[in-house]
Amino acid sequence: GQQLNQSPQSMFIQEGEDVSMNCTSSSIFNTWLWYKQDPGEGPVLLIALYKAGELTSNGRLTAQFGITRKDSFLNISASIPSDVGIYFCAGQGSGGSNYKLTFGKGTLLTVNP
Amino acid sequence: GAGVSQSPSNKVTEKGKDVELRCDPISGHTALYWYRQRLGQGLEFLIYFQGNSAPDKSGLPSDRFSAERTGESVSTLTIQRTQQEDSAVYLCASSLDTEAFFGQGTRLTVV
Repeated sequence: GQQLNQSPQSMFIQEGEDVSMNCTSSSIFNTWLWYKQDPGEGPVLLIALYKAGELTSNGRLTAQFGITRKDSFLNISASIPSDVGIYFCAGQGSGGSNYKLTFGKGTLLTVNP
Repeated sequence: GAGVSQSPSNKVTEKGKDVELRCDPISGHTALYWYRQRLGQGLEFLIYFQGNSAPDKSGLPSDRFSAERTGESVSTLTIQRTQQEDSAVYLCASSLDTEAFFGQGTRLTVV
């Protein structure tokens, strides 16, 4: 089945620093999604990407859909303490069994005030 | 409701008992997912329902786990003869096409 490699597994940064995390896939995806999970909550969708090469921003967050359609990255600029949480990437392939979302294992972000 | 609703929010059960976890998806969403998340870990895929297609059960860890979905409505995840290793948060998500929306999860503790 499809697999996603998300890195890094965890990050510990100072408030104000920029953050970058990425996901790579063994197969092509048609859609990339990025989620954030706060402690005790379900994951919440941050950004959705639908086209290879697409670069999308949501406030301090920027995500890109890789040209090869096998990777995506998420950047957070000028981090703040409330950015703490687990960030997940997810990809969706074409039809059949590849249509369901496949999630990365997550990046745990800790921001030191 | 506006979002995905899961119940109960917390469940403590004795080892060996059966439990049922419920998910009410967003109205009209054809796809429904169940995931398990152990403390500090990522999302472990359990099962995927898409419309009237046969569910993808490839993530169910053992035959003690099963799930049902009535049409494009409520889903129930059942764990029989619970074990301590089943302790985790069980998350449900629904989707119309691509973007999946998660519930708050059910925290299951097996004692």
